[in-house]
Amino acid sequence: DVKVTQSSRYLVKRTGEKVFLECVQDMDHENMFWYRQDPGLGLRLIYFSYDVKMKEKGDIPEGYSVSREKKERFSLILESASTNQTSMYLCASHTEASGRKMFFGPGTRLTVL
Amino acid sequence: AQSVTQLGSHVSVSEGALVLLRCNYSSSVPPYLFWYVQYPNQGLQLLLKYTSAATLVKGINGFEAEFKKSETSFHLTKPSAHMSDAAEYFCAVSDHGSSNTGKLIFGQGTTLQVKP
Repeated sequence: DVKVTQSSRYLVKRTGEKVFLECVQDMDHENMFWYRQDPGLGLRLIYFSYDVKMKEKGDIPEGYSVSREKKERFSLILESASTNQTSMYLCASHTEASGRKMFFGPGTRLTVL
Repeated sequence: AQSVTQLGSHVSVSEGALVLLRCNYSSSVPPYLFWYVQYPNQGLQLLLKYTSAATLVKGINGFEAEFKKSETSFHLTKPSAHMSDAAEYFCAVSDHGSSNTGKLIFGQGTTLQVKP
């Protein structure tokens, strides 16, 4: 089975801190994604990557950046955390060969105080 | 640009009743369409997907969805609700076009409540 893992389930940070959220998938998927999930807003795409060192902005990239140095790892960076970035962050991956079936990680619930 | 609208943020049905969760999409090219389910305190899992084969798609746990191009809809149904179906359901769309690299755009979600 495909496994997508995220470095933390729960994270508490202070305003202004730099925050790193790590995601690793073990099935050689070329496409990886970061979403945030908020009640009533569904999942909103922050950034995605279709290859190593390649990235594209999603619908809400402001305040975030990403890094993909290796195919299996996709990192989300909050350069200076703010309270409005308190949310559930979901990492996901897929491959065209599987018809874009998205595999999700368990999520990281980030609280910014 | 792609978009997804789920009509109704909360749907409540009695156990044994028909479940109907509505999804309308906007896409400039033939889409991939998906329904995902998220049970309380769990991650998202795929219920079913449409990828331009049969318009009626059967998924897990007795759910199915019908792609209607003329209505730009992909509604999710289940003939008889079970208590274990209580969850949040998300509809998602992805273009076939090669330029978009397979990103999925999700709807706002519909919470299904099943009453005994």
